[in-house]
Amino acid sequence: DIVMSQSPDSLAVSLGERATINCKSSQSVLDTSNNKNSLAWYQQKPGQPPKLLIYWASTRESGVPDRFSGSGSGTDFTLTISSLQAEDVALYYCQQYYNSPRTFGQGTKVEIK
Amino acid sequence: QVQLQQSGPGLVKPSGTLSLTCAVSGDSISSSNWWSWVRQPPGKGLEWIGKIYHSGSTNYNPSLESRVTMSIDKSKNQFSLKLSSVTAADTAVYYCARDSGYYDIRNSYHTLDLFDYWGQGTLVTVSS
Repeated sequence: DIVMSQSPDSLAVSLGERATINCKSSQSVLDTSNNKNSLAWYQQKPGQPPKLLIYWASTRESGVPDRFSGSGSGTDFTLTISSLQAEDVALYYCQQYYNSPRTFGQGTKVEIK
Repeated sequence: QVQLQQSGPGLVKPSGTLSLTCAVSGDSISSSNWWSWVRQPPGKGLEWIGKIYHSGSTNYNPSLESRVTMSIDKSKNQFSLKLSSVTAADTAVYYCARDSGYYDIRNSYHTLDLFDYWGQGTLVTVSS
């Protein structure tokens, strides 16, 4: 199985400031057939199911605010919230869908400083 | 709008079988999508359990494969999960979800092993 590791486990950011979450995979998730990275990001608020934010490492899902962006390739990826809003307080998970079984990172908790 | 509505007991006895159902609205269970189950132990991360296609084809996580059975009921537009021989380690919030996908320029469908719609979640506690 591909192991996904996120850092940090938690971070506190002031409103309007940038939040950066890292995700590292134990092997490359670059799909050479289409030159895309099979990496997704989800947001999970308390008591709710996860919500898909980004796929192919950098493509925003429809309706996701543009303050959320994804980057990276191969084994190292980043989710950036450019200007943190109160409603962004949540857990964030990365997930690889390069091969089965699909696996998730352990999650990063984002809070307001 | 696609909606997934879960149902099933929230308490299962040790060594028993966990059974959950996910009713789909706004999409056909016979569409090009696969349908998955994911679980999340309290305070922990997410684990994919397996997926099923409308043909009945399944793909399970090897870590749970020996105990998992998934099925589809096209007449009710729903799919189900059974997990046997449960222990306290199976206590978790269980989610059903739709696998994403896309059509290419040749109108061929490509499934993506990520989730675009989720059920509301069911906390299943394994306890006597």
